[in-house]
Amino acid sequence: GENVEQHPSTLSVQEGDSAVIKCTYSDSASNYFPWYKQELGKGPQLIIDIRSNVGEKKDQRIAVTLNKTAKHFSLHITETQPEDSAVYFCAAPVTGGYQKVTFGTGTKLQVIP
Amino acid sequence: DAGITQSPRHKVTETGTPVTLRCHQTENHRYMYWYRQDPGHGLRLIHYSYGVKDTDKGEVSDGYSVSRSKTEDFLLTLESATSSQTSVYFCAISASQGTETQYFGPGTRLLVL
Repeated sequence: GENVEQHPSTLSVQEGDSAVIKCTYSDSASNYFPWYKQELGKGPQLIIDIRSNVGEKKDQRIAVTLNKTAKHFSLHITETQPEDSAVYFCAAPVTGGYQKVTFGTGTKLQVIP
Repeated sequence: DAGITQSPRHKVTETGTPVTLRCHQTENHRYMYWYRQDPGHGLRLIHYSYGVKDTDKGEVSDGYSVSRSKTEDFLLTLESATSSQTSVYFCAISASQGTETQYFGPGTRLLVL
């Protein structure tokens, strides 16, 4: 099955700085990589995803990059704001499963005003 | 927000008692999932459903059972609750094959004494 490792587990940045969270996966057949944001007391919510036919995808201050050779993908948040403070999860699909994904262990991002 | 509700939102129970958590969706999505979230472990899949009366085990299914008699409802039962099942439980849904985005409910916080 798929194994996803996520680093770092905690990350503190000053407001306005950039934040980068990295994930590695084990299954070379994986082709879909979502990122979820979980605010305190809520369920995770998809913020961006990337498929294996592209190397980078951007949505305003958020971008995701994918390196299929190295089997890792990263979330980049630029010009961080206090409302970016949350727990972020990466995920990768379980090949052959019914729409199943394996989640990373999460990164708690704190943006210091 | 996707139309997903979970009930109850909070529950305290005693070791050895059965507990049933309910997930209800109004999106008519085919796939439904139960996860548990614990510090240091991220989101781990307990059971999932790929259609009415079609369910399968996830990575941490021991001590849990599920049922899905209607598209909109997915029940998770702890047959005899143990302290190790103290956790936050999330239900998620996703649509047809090829659209892997999962939409999460608000979670149920369960404490087993």
